[in-house]
Amino acid sequence: DIVMTQTPLSSPVTLGQPASISCRSSQSLVHSDGNTYLSWLHQRPGQPPRLLIYKISNRFSGVPDRFSGSGAGTDFTLKISRVEGEDVGVYYCMQATQFPWTFGQGTKVEIK
Amino acid sequence: QVQLVESGGGVVQPGKSLRLSCAASGFTFSRYGMHWVRQAPGKGLEWVAAISYDGSNQHYVDSVKGRFTISRDDSQNTLYLQMNSLRAEDTAVYYCAKDTGSTFDYWGQGAPVTVSS
Repeated sequence: DIVMTQTPLSSPVTLGQPASISCRSSQSLVHSDGNTYLSWLHQRPGQPPRLLIYKISNRFSGVPDRFSGSGAGTDFTLKISRVEGEDVGVYYCMQATQFPWTFGQGTKVEIK
Repeated sequence: QVQLVESGGGVVQPGKSLRLSCAASGFTFSRYGMHWVRQAPGKGLEWVAAISYDGSNQHYVDSVKGRFTISRDDSQNTLYLQMNSLRAEDTAVYYCAKDTGSTFDYWGQGAPVTVSS
């Protein structure tokens, strides 16, 4: 199974400041079809997760452009250019390159 | 708009069975693969099972193989998860999620399952 490792696990941030989360996979996420199936999801307390980014850097419908994804192979990053109050919660990276699909442990973003 | 509504959760004794349902609306259900993902109390997300758009392929996490069965009824726009031989470690909120082909784009609100004597 592909292991997904996120850092940091906790990230206190100041409103209006940037934030960054890293995700590393135990093997390359490049699929045989040439795509890299790495996504980022956000979960607020008591809510289901919601999709932010898919295939490394594509923002899902309605996701603000302050969210961006980058990376390749085994190393990926989610960046929030200016953190807003609604951005608190837990962020997960997820790979869908091979079954079983696996998630990172989650990174908790909270306001300082 | 896309809606996924889970039902069937509850409290069950170890070794017993439970069937979860996920009613889908707002999209052509028969065209999409579907998944179950669970989240134990205070823990992260764990993918559980997937079924292809036509029901011909299923995949499971090792910990539920032989105990859980994912299925779908396209005439009812409903996804199922039959859970047998339940264990305490299966206690979680179970979410159904729609597959885009490369990720999950929509999630239900979740169905809580508690396995306890």
